[in-house]
Amino acid sequence: GAGVSQSPRYKVAKRGQDVALRCDPISGHVSLFWYQQALGQGPEFLTYFQNEAQLDKSGLPSDRFFAERPEGSVSTLKIQRTQQEDSAVYLCASSLVSPSYGYTFGSGTRLTVV
Amino acid sequence: AQSVTQLGSHVSVSEGALVLLRCNYSSSVPPYLFWYVQYPNQGLQLLLKYTSAATLVKGINGFEAEFKKSKTSFHLTKPSAHMSDAAEYFCAVSTDAGGTSYGKLTFGQGTILTVHP
Repeated sequence: GAGVSQSPRYKVAKRGQDVALRCDPISGHVSLFWYQQALGQGPEFLTYFQNEAQLDKSGLPSDRFFAERPEGSVSTLKIQRTQQEDSAVYLCASSLVSPSYGYTFGSGTRLTVV
Repeated sequence: AQSVTQLGSHVSVSEGALVLLRCNYSSSVPPYLFWYVQYPNQGLQLLLKYTSAATLVKGINGFEAEFKKSKTSFHLTKPSAHMSDAAEYFCAVSTDAGGTSYGKLTFGQGTILTVHP
C-alpha cells in the first residue's frame, strides 16, 4: 500500500486481557520498528525486524510483550495480561535498510487499559 | 549510545513570527537527524532530515534546519508561523543501520508549538 497501516486505531482492554496490534508496512520495506508513546512523551523504541528476523528486542518492557513478523511483511505486537501502565500509543514504522531513506510511520494504535 | 534533548516543552509564537525549536543531540558516530510533526491523534509526519549532505536542510511547509556539528545542534526554524503549524514537534537521531543500532530512532521529549492569531 501507499503508507503504513495500523489496526485497530483504538483499543480498550480490561486489565489482565491479552491484546494484539497489527502493522502492515509499505511493500518492499525491509525494516520494521515498533515504538511506544506514552502520553506527553516522545516515542520510545520497542523492537526491530529486518524482514522476518527480530534483530533487536531490547526495548520491550517485559516478557508480557511479544512481537512477530513471520513472513517479513505484516507484523503483530502482542501484549499479554495488560496492565494500566501499558496504556499508550503504539506506533509502527517501516523503512528501507538504510535510515538515510527515512522512515514512514503509521497512525498508531491507542491502547487504553481500564 | 545516542540521545536527544529538546529545549522547551512548549513554545508560543504569534502568527507571522519566527519559529525556533531547539534540538541538541548526542551520538558517538555520525548521526542522521530528523524532525517530525505530530498532529492530535495522528502518527508522525517527516518534516525534514539530515543525512550528511548539505548542513542546511529544507523541508516541507517552509521549515528548515541547520546541522551544526560543533554545537551538536539541529534547530528547526520557520520564518513566519502559520496557524496550521500548531502541533507537537519531535527531533530524532539515528545512526547507520550497521552495528547494533539497526538504524533505530531515538526521540526527544517533544515541543508543543502554539500559534496565536
